Amino acid sequence: EAGVVQSPRYKIIEKKQPVAFWCNPISGHNTLYWYLQNLGQGPELLIRYENEEAVDDSQLPKDRFSAERLKGVDSTLKIQPAELGDSAVYLCASSSKGPGLNEQFFGPGTRLTVL
Amino acid sequence: QKEVEQDPGPLSVPEGAIVSLNCTYSNSAFQYFMWYRQYSRKGPELLMYTYSSGNKEDGRFTAQVDKSSKYISLFIRDSQPSDSATYLCAMSEGGGSNYKLTFGKGTLLTVNP
Repeated sequence: EAGVVQSPRYKIIEKKQPVAFWCNPISGHNTLYWYLQNLGQGPELLIRYENEEAVDDSQLPKDRFSAERLKGVDSTLKIQPAELGDSAVYLCASSSKGPGLNEQFFGPGTRLTVL
Repeated sequence: QKEVEQDPGPLSVPEGAIVSLNCTYSNSAFQYFMWYRQYSRKGPELLMYTYSSGNKEDGRFTAQVDKSSKYISLFIRDSQPSDSATYLCAMSEGGGSNYKLTFGKGTLLTVNP
């Protein structure tokens, strides 16, 4: 079974430029998450989708960040304009629903460098 | 004070050593306690988890939760160079997808051959 796919793996941009990250979750997983991981830190949730609905975006900086999950499958996270402090790894994860722990499966991440 | 505290290390041990990794937390509502392993340039992967208090063993790995002390541990026996990675503890108040995971900073472990 294919895991969570993210692209691009690496992105270098200049500040004030826009950037977009793409995620394809595991087939059949209704829940999709975007996390931010700064160097030497654990992941922090940015937004959670249940199917195509953003049900928790309380940690998403909405002045410059936006996300969408059309048709409840793939998702795109966008930053416009990027700032120096946005340099980090952006992780996508997905999970299915069921009893007990709904394990989150993570993609490899997109490493963003803002110059 | 952060909800989850984890010593970032780094921790360097010889092959075959017993490794102890720990986290403390402040939220008494946490019920699920997880350990993720993250290799360099990869995403985290769930290693094992415990519901509520107690111990759980899986091969060379043992997870312990002491809710009275708000302290969790991961022990690795007979450590191998392939165990070299960052180990992240994570916790949540419930197991469903609607429950937020709170991660520690991660501990970087190197096992030297």
